[in-house]
Amino acid sequence: QSALTQPASVSGSPGQSITISCTGTSSDVGSYNLVSWYQQHPGKAPKLMIYEGSKRPSGVSNRFSGSKSDNTASLTISGLQAEDEADYYCCSYAGSTTLVFGGGTKLTVL
Amino acid sequence: QLQLQESGPGLVKPSETLSLTCTVSGGSISSSYYYWGWIRQPPGKGLEWIGSIYHSGSTYYNPSLKSRVSISVDTSKNQFSLKLSSVTAADTALYYCARIYGSGRVYYFMDVWGKGTTVTVSS
Repeated sequence: QSALTQPASVSGSPGQSITISCTGTSSDVGSYNLVSWYQQHPGKAPKLMIYEGSKRPSGVSNRFSGSKSDNTASLTISGLQAEDEADYYCCSYAGSTTLVFGGGTKLTVL
Repeated sequence: QLQLQESGPGLVKPSETLSLTCTVSGGSISSSYYYWGWIRQPPGKGLEWIGSIYHSGSTYYNPSLKSRVSISVDTSKNQFSLKLSSVTAADTALYYCARIYGSGRVYYFMDVWGKGTTVTVSS
């Protein structure tokens, strides 16, 4: 069970859109539509932003969207705002009642 | 509103056992469709799923930690606990407990998290 692969960092200017990728294998991301995304601000607990690949929990801005193609899931944030600056983690069900996280991506809003 | 709160020693000696408890308030740990999990985050690093438990007592562990991890549940106290044995400095981390929505032993997402508790392994 290896960690999912995310870029270490991404950046964008206010108002722009960015996409964070999350690459797994046919044993996790590719086999299940069960990727979730979490936002973590410094010193805070992670917050669920996207679940089941593309669904948004109540209260999460529609500027956040998710998708999946084969073994890669993606998180897109449109209309970047300063408050979006945070670390983002993907997580996938990996079979046999296990979970695997990505290494995390630091988003900088320029 | 459901809340989770981690508690336990903040300092553990190498080779000893780390023990943490997560107290669930505002809801029942025996709710259907929810598992209860432990996740950790070493300083400056990413998240790692440690393991999960269902209120029935069924447990599921990260294969990389399985030999050292034990998770238990006390439904009468609405708590679940983590024990990690033979700790080393590599186990120094912020430990979170979380509620995991799932069905049929498949996990969907973690929707409620505790604030986390820091555990340092040092002599």
